[in-house]
Amino acid sequence: AQRVTQPEKLLSVFKGAPVELKCNYSYSGSPELFWYVQYSRQRLQLLLRHISRESIKGFTADLNKGETSFHLKKPFAQEEDSAMYYCALSPDSNYQLIWGAGTKLIIKP
Amino acid sequence: GAVVSQHPSRVICKSGTSVKIECRSLDFQATTMFWYRQFPKQSLMLMATSNEGSKATYEQGVEKDKFLINHASLTLSTLTVTSAHPEDSSFYICSARDLSTYNEQFFGPGTRLTVL
Repeated sequence: AQRVTQPEKLLSVFKGAPVELKCNYSYSGSPELFWYVQYSRQRLQLLLRHISRESIKGFTADLNKGETSFHLKKPFAQEEDSAMYYCALSPDSNYQLIWGAGTKLIIKP
Repeated sequence: GAVVSQHPSRVICKSGTSVKIECRSLDFQATTMFWYRQFPKQSLMLMATSNEGSKATYEQGVEKDKFLINHASLTLSTLTVTSAHPEDSSFYICSARDLSTYNEQFFGPGTRLTVL
């Protein structure tokens, strides 16, 4: 079955500390993976996608097909990174998204 | 970036009435739009995929006669919650797919529906 798992509902780290938000997926084919972010009182927006191989706002994510993971990382967290983060998988050409449960990231000053 | 609007942002209605929610892509054409439902402190649940000019594809467990979707133009999709009941109270979010940006989905701000 197609599934996206974000094991942490809440992650709290201090400003300046490294951050890693975990995402594992279950899919037999070659998926396209995304990280979406929702800041307080704002709409969901795309943070990054694995095919772009970009670093957005200091965040990176590498697709590890062997471990079926797509963890989101940032070396030095900033207070403005506090938000809800969702990992999502697109299994087909219709680009429906299968969502993880989300991780709430809190950056403490 | 591309903008998606939803109207209304908040609606309160009586049980048994119908409510229509509009989703518009403001500066791009969206052949595909998606409707989601989000319960408090939970992730998004895809309800249906709306394709311009054709019938929507509903996810398992979503009643198509209760949640009517119309995608009559490349910039507008509507979700009508028919004969609403209190259990339909939720946050409804739409997204639109932009072919010009590698199929990125852009999200609307959501509509908070409260059924009394």
